[in-house]
Amino acid sequence: GENVEQHPSTLSVQEGDSAVIKCTYSDSASNYFPWYKQELGKRPQLIIDIRSNVGEKKDQRIAVTLNKTAKHFSLHITETQPEDSAVYFCAASGRGGADGLTFGKGTHLIIQP
Amino acid sequence: KAGVTQTPRYLIKTRGQQVTLSCSPISGHRSVSWYQQTPGQGLQFLFEYFSETQRNKGNFPGRFSGRQFSNSRSEMNVSTLELGDSALYLCASSLVSTGGYEQYFGPGTRLTVT
Repeated sequence: GENVEQHPSTLSVQEGDSAVIKCTYSDSASNYFPWYKQELGKRPQLIIDIRSNVGEKKDQRIAVTLNKTAKHFSLHITETQPEDSAVYFCAASGRGGADGLTFGKGTHLIIQP
Repeated sequence: KAGVTQTPRYLIKTRGQQVTLSCSPISGHRSVSWYQQTPGQGLQFLFEYFSETQRNKGNFPGRFSGRQFSNSRSEMNVSTLELGDSALYLCASSLVSTGGYEQYFGPGTRLTVT
């Protein structure tokens, strides 16, 4: 089945700086890659996603890039703000979407004031 | 439009008992997926139901089962509870089957097994 690796497990950045979180996946048939943000005690919230026919997608301060050849995708957050502090999860939908989502272990993003 | 709801929010059970959790998807959504979240294993896929049929299943023992009703509401059952079943159980709803479509999570049910 699909396997998703996520790095780093903890990321501390100064407010206003950029943050990058990277994920790799194993199943070349995976075609859907969402990112979720989970604040303490709350549900995971879908913040952006990308499909395998697209290389990059942006939504205001958030962007995701996908490299199908290398089987990795990344989340980029620019101009970080205190409210960006949370755990971020990447995921991949294996077997061309036939499987449920396989999640990375999460990145705890800390925004230093 | 109301979001995904789950009941109950908290449960305490004893080893060997069984438990049933409920999930109501976003109106119009026909797919419900269940996930287990623990500090050690992270978020793990349990199974997905679409149009009252189990569409796919993760790598969990047969003690974990589910079903979906004609109104798309779903229930998950865990029999013969073990200490290791203590976790946050999340359901997620999707407009159609999960392949390549956005999934929206409920608040979860926190299950503690003693």
